[in-house]
Amino acid sequence: RKEVEQDPGPFNVPEGATVAFNCTYSNSASQSFFWYRQDCRKEPKLLMSVYSSGNEDGRFTAQLNRASQYISLLIRDSKLSDSATYLCVVNAKDFNKFYFGSGTKLNVKP
Amino acid sequence: DTEVTQTPKHLVMGMTNKKSLKCEQHMGHRAMYWYKQKAKKPPELMFVYSYEKLSINESVPSRFSPECPNSSLLNLHLHALQPEDSALYLCASSQEGANYGYTFGSGTRLTVV
Repeated sequence: RKEVEQDPGPFNVPEGATVAFNCTYSNSASQSFFWYRQDCRKEPKLLMSVYSSGNEDGRFTAQLNRASQYISLLIRDSKLSDSATYLCVVNAKDFNKFYFGSGTKLNVKP
Repeated sequence: DTEVTQTPKHLVMGMTNKKSLKCEQHMGHRAMYWYKQKAKKPPELMFVYSYEKLSINESVPSRFSPECPNSSLLNLHLHALQPEDSALYLCASSQEGANYGYTFGSGTRLTVV
């Protein structure tokens, strides 16, 4: 079983739509969770950390469900510029090691 | 300075060549990483340096040789690579500990011919 699993998509949504991605992780001892965004042929960039109580940054909301071992990312009022691959990242038992999900591709259409 | 700088941005090398990738950060991060990313795949961890010491080697072939000369620099020496080693090589750094995400460099796009 993979350490981190994501639906690869693609998710094709119209501008203004709300879209949600989930990511499941296998190690119940994981402590740190992140969402990264990667544009085509660019490096991944940290979008937001995911905190136990859930957190919001503008149109983006991240949630953590420890009992079910998943994290989610909600994007409201999608913009064309949100089109990218979204990677969830979870730390391993060794805190300097992180596992990447395979990424979920989002296409926002006009 | 909140950047991780990688050079070169592009590299084409023959299978008998020796080359080096360089990575530099001045954020005071004590953990530095090399990742390899193939097209449409997530980054795969290769090496982790913590406080300038190699702490994780993900069973990477010896034709890849990392080096951490000081806390700001990380090199990846390449020798006798194969065409399947062509990929985007990403350097990252982070503060020590579980609660901090990575900052990635823009990567070196390597083509082995």
